[in-house]
Amino acid sequence: KNQVEQSPQSLIILEGKNCTLQCNYTVSPFSNLRWYKQDTGRGPVSLTIMTFSENTKSNGRYTATLDADTKQSSLHITASQLSDSASYICVVSARGTYKYIFGTGTRLKVLA
Amino acid sequence: NAGVTQTPKFQVLKTGQSMTLQCAQDMNHNSMYWYRQDPGMGLRLIYYSASEGTTDKGEVPNGYNVSRLNKREFSLRLESAAPSQTSVYFCATIRTDSGNTIYFGEGSWLTVV
Repeated sequence: KNQVEQSPQSLIILEGKNCTLQCNYTVSPFSNLRWYKQDTGRGPVSLTIMTFSENTKSNGRYTATLDADTKQSSLHITASQLSDSASYICVVSARGTYKYIFGTGTRLKVLA
Repeated sequence: NAGVTQTPKFQVLKTGQSMTLQCAQDMNHNSMYWYRQDPGMGLRLIYYSASEGTTDKGEVPNGYNVSRLNKREFSLRLESAAPSQTSVYFCATIRTDSGNTIYFGEGSWLTVV
């Protein structure tokens, strides 16, 4: 069964600190993996997209890594800001389908 | 979330009532999707439309119908609402070129009492 699991479920950090969110998946055949940020009461917004051949991609203070062999991805947030408080969702798609498998997200809270 | 517009933003229904959630996109994308998001669960696909004139069931289609009215609009209808359909509904469209970015609407909060 295609699944995407994220950890931790929630995380609280102080402003300025770094953090890393994890995503493990069992989707096959793998096509690509995305990270989305969802602010409270809003729709998810794309942060990064990585294909099988990519193992790291950055978007400002956000850096995603992908290990296709172990089927793991991480999202590293550097020098966190209050505006980083949100849910971060890992999404994996299988090759040849229109369907996307969503993780349950990690809820990040950044405190001043 | 520019480009994908959902209405209404909030709705309260009584059990058995019907309603339609509207979605419109101005990005000229072929693919459109309806998802529901429930606490502790990832977004789940209700229905999708790969192109104008086609619709297909996702993982949780029971109790819903859809219409792909034209390339811009994709509506979701609840014929007889049930409390289990209390959820946040998201419309999305896919840019099917390099990257296949998913663009979501702002969501519709539906409560069935």
